[in-house]
Amino acid sequence: EDKVVQSPLSLVVHEGDTVTLNCSYEVTNFRSLLWYKQEKKAPTFLFMLTSSGIEKKSGRLSSILDKKELFSILNITATQTGDSAIYLCAVEGGSQGNLIFGKGTKLSVKP
Amino acid sequence: DTAVSQTPKYLVTQMGNDKSIKCEQNLGHDTMYWYKQDSKKFLKIMFSYNNKELIINETVPNRFSPKSPDKAHLNLHINSLELGDSAVYFCASSQERWGTNNEQFFGPGTRLTVL
Repeated sequence: EDKVVQSPLSLVVHEGDTVTLNCSYEVTNFRSLLWYKQEKKAPTFLFMLTSSGIEKKSGRLSSILDKKELFSILNITATQTGDSAIYLCAVEGGSQGNLIFGKGTKLSVKP
Repeated sequence: DTAVSQTPKYLVTQMGNDKSIKCEQNLGHDTMYWYKQDSKKFLKIMFSYNNKELIINETVPNRFSPKSPDKAHLNLHINSLELGDSAVYFCASSQERWGTNNEQFFGPGTRLTVL
């Protein structure tokens, strides 16, 4: 059965800390891995990764994919309270070719 | 064991037809959502129901009508299907409304193709 597992499920840090969120997967017909940030509205798209070892960056956020070990990490440096959200990992693949979502990591950044 | 289920998984239909997608959650959640995934993998919210009441209705054509017979079900009915309706539609649920404390659980998606 296809699955996407995120860890930790929740995380509390202080402003300025660096955090690493993990996403491992077992998905047939892998096409891509995506990260979303969910706050008070619909999940917003962060990154899409298709190739191993190529880091994608956007400001203080970066992500990388390891297709051999079947995982991805999302790094956030110099965290701010505005980074508090649930971060969703989703893998495109499976028998339907749809997105298969993990349960998310709830990040809380304290002042 | 399935938390959020959608039927059908695939839907191929002709322009002008009317179709429905069903969603059910067995998590006891109060809020359910419909999203449309666009070609850029963005998830666009269409509707949200809380305890069978519509709380969010984003700018979607009137051809799309959600129906919630009970809080465990949120079905999406689409009239007069158009080519641009082709997409993957995701249903999701959460215990309460949107917020950083409310994880959303997503269904497997329904891939709609309009010919």
